[in-house]
Amino acid sequence: NAGVMQNPRHLVRRRGQEARLRCSPMKGHSHVYWYRQLPEEGLKFMVYLQKENIIDESGMPKERFSAEFPKEGPSILRIQQVVRGDSAAYFCASSSGQEATGELFFGEGSRLTVL
Amino acid sequence: GNSVTQMEGPVTLSEEAFLTINCTYTATGYPSLFWYVQYPGEGLQLLLKATKADDKGSNKGFEATYRKETTSFHLEKGSVQVSDSAVYFCALKSSGDKLTFGTGTRLAVRP
Repeated sequence: NAGVMQNPRHLVRRRGQEARLRCSPMKGHSHVYWYRQLPEEGLKFMVYLQKENIIDESGMPKERFSAEFPKEGPSILRIQQVVRGDSAAYFCASSSGQEATGELFFGEGSRLTVL
Repeated sequence: GNSVTQMEGPVTLSEEAFLTINCTYTATGYPSLFWYVQYPGEGLQLLLKATKADDKGSNKGFEATYRKETTSFHLEKGSVQVSDSAVYFCALKSSGDKLTFGTGTRLAVRP
């Protein structure tokens, strides 16, 4: 009964490097959401994707951040040229898109530390 | 747009005390409402939900009632335990839209 799988759980990068975070949704789910949680803060929506499509990227920073959800394979959140302010926990959630209630299922998060 | 406002924490209680965490919302249409819980070092888990006005969600002794007239979804528990120490997030979702979270309320329960 695999839930939402995120990797890596912990990632350390130096300023200027690239970070790639992966998310495999629950089986049967085709909708993926990425959220960012800064230390001692709530969750901020970043992007909502369906297979091969970005549905809502209103929460994504305009530069350095990108996301994809290819036909095959996991969703990837990519951060180029990381800065210290990118240090946060990044959570992925998935849904089938068919539930009337719209419940999302979350992964355990990827914690990015930028040195 | 949609928004959720939660009471600020931290909330510190003694074991067996009564818990209330306030949550109010602003939304278009008729959203579904949720409480999620985040234990230290973990992801979010759905605690309870309500999909229409006057519905009561309940789980693990926690309850929340969807009050359309006051646009509220306050979380309550009659007797908290040390194991309830966590961060609690109120959230709403309109049809076809993303889940919008409050800022979270940290609960610390002392033995």
